[in-house]
Amino acid sequence: NAGVTQTPKFQVLKTGQSMTLQCAQDMNHEYMSWYRQDPGMGLRLIHYSVGAGITDQGEVPNGYNVSRSTTEDFPLRLLSAAPSQTSVYFCASSYSTTASTDTQYFGPGTRLTVL
Amino acid sequence: GDSVTQMEGPVTLSEEAFLTINCTYTATGYPSLFWYVQYPGEGLQLLLKATKADDKGSNKGFEATYRKETTSFHLEKGSVQVSDSAVYFCALEGGSGNTGKLIFGQGTTLQVKP
Repeated sequence: NAGVTQTPKFQVLKTGQSMTLQCAQDMNHEYMSWYRQDPGMGLRLIHYSVGAGITDQGEVPNGYNVSRSTTEDFPLRLLSAAPSQTSVYFCASSYSTTASTDTQYFGPGTRLTVL
Repeated sequence: GDSVTQMEGPVTLSEEAFLTINCTYTATGYPSLFWYVQYPGEGLQLLLKATKADDKGSNKGFEATYRKETTSFHLEKGSVQVSDSAVYFCALEGGSGNTGKLIFGQGTTLQVKP
């Protein structure tokens, strides 16, 4: 049982490049989400999904796309990277959207630098 | 909108000292409240939670009580250890509940010296 896995761990991009951050979970969780962590700002929700085929925007969705074709995977795409997207990205998953009863599990993070 | 405010860090303590990290929140309704911990180089882990007023969450010697009257959820530990050195995040479940959307404070870094 690997939990929530994220790849890559580190990535450096040039402005305008595109890339996909991978997230996978093996716990059969329906709810998955992406956060970015910036110094002094805590974590902010980018996009989330309540099940395969269903996605929605969080607090800071601009510049990011997501899709959810399977229960296990929830990739985050940067179409044209900008320096403002330099951050640490965390993927999380839980059985349901009821955070009070279903613990959200976080991946180890991807540290992205955009030059 | 909903928000969480934590005390500024870093907090530096000697081993066996008493710890308090303040957390206050603004929210509509009665959100569930959480403390998450992030050890160096790792993702966040749930430390404890409380789902209604006057509930006390506890785990690994840490405690926090949901105070509706002061909209607070302060984290305490009676005797910290070097291994408690980490970043601590206070969070609430945003919206009208059961949304899964967590709103985090800015995090407080704790460093415990031997």
